[in-house]
Amino acid sequence: GAVVSQHPSRVICKSGTSVKIECRSLDFQATTMFWYRQFPKKSLMLMATSNEGSKATYEQGVEKDKFLINHASLTLSTLTVTSAHPEDSSFYICSAGGGGSSYEQYFGPGTRLTVT
Amino acid sequence: GQNIDQPTEMTATEGAIVQINCTYQTSGFNGLFWYQQHAGEAPTFLSYNVLDGLEEKGRFSSFLSRSKGYSYLLLKELQMKDSASYLCAVKDSNYQLIWGAGTKLIIKP
Repeated sequence: GAVVSQHPSRVICKSGTSVKIECRSLDFQATTMFWYRQFPKKSLMLMATSNEGSKATYEQGVEKDKFLINHASLTLSTLTVTSAHPEDSSFYICSAGGGGSSYEQYFGPGTRLTVT
Repeated sequence: GQNIDQPTEMTATEGAIVQINCTYQTSGFNGLFWYQQHAGEAPTFLSYNVLDGLEEKGRFSSFLSRSKGYSYLLLKELQMKDSASYLCAVKDSNYQLIWGAGTKLIIKP
């Protein structure tokens, strides 16, 4: 199957700083990527749909000025958590593919963010 | 609203069979997915059903009944490595994935 990478896998940052997470599709082009966050023992929560060359589509309740998404190429999407707070600590997962009628999403390995 | 229900936790014995149920109410239906997720890792794809019936893939099988809004994942010959969370997800009429909260499966020797 297709491979999606995420970097970094773990990051610890201080309150008020910004953190960038990269999501790359390694062997295919992805016009659409998805960003999720997951709290312990909870299901995946879709944050936004990242569209190459255009603005991301954010889910209700997700602050677009806090979670900046850039999808500059067909193989790279980035999520920047700005002015991070401890409540932003979570597991962030990206996925690619699976848009529209395409059926399979390929998930990255996830990024564990801890804000101190 | 849209809703996916699955049990929170199940326990089974190594070598046995377990069935994890999923019921859904969504605006439209464009396929149902099962994913496996080990703790601290991203989900991995297990199965996809869009038509009624049983799809078998090795030790894992997935069943769908669209009229009942119901699916199950059947795991046979359970192994310790099958201990994980199993996520049920449905694509709605807008092709958006709606996720269940996941079922944590605990395998005991």
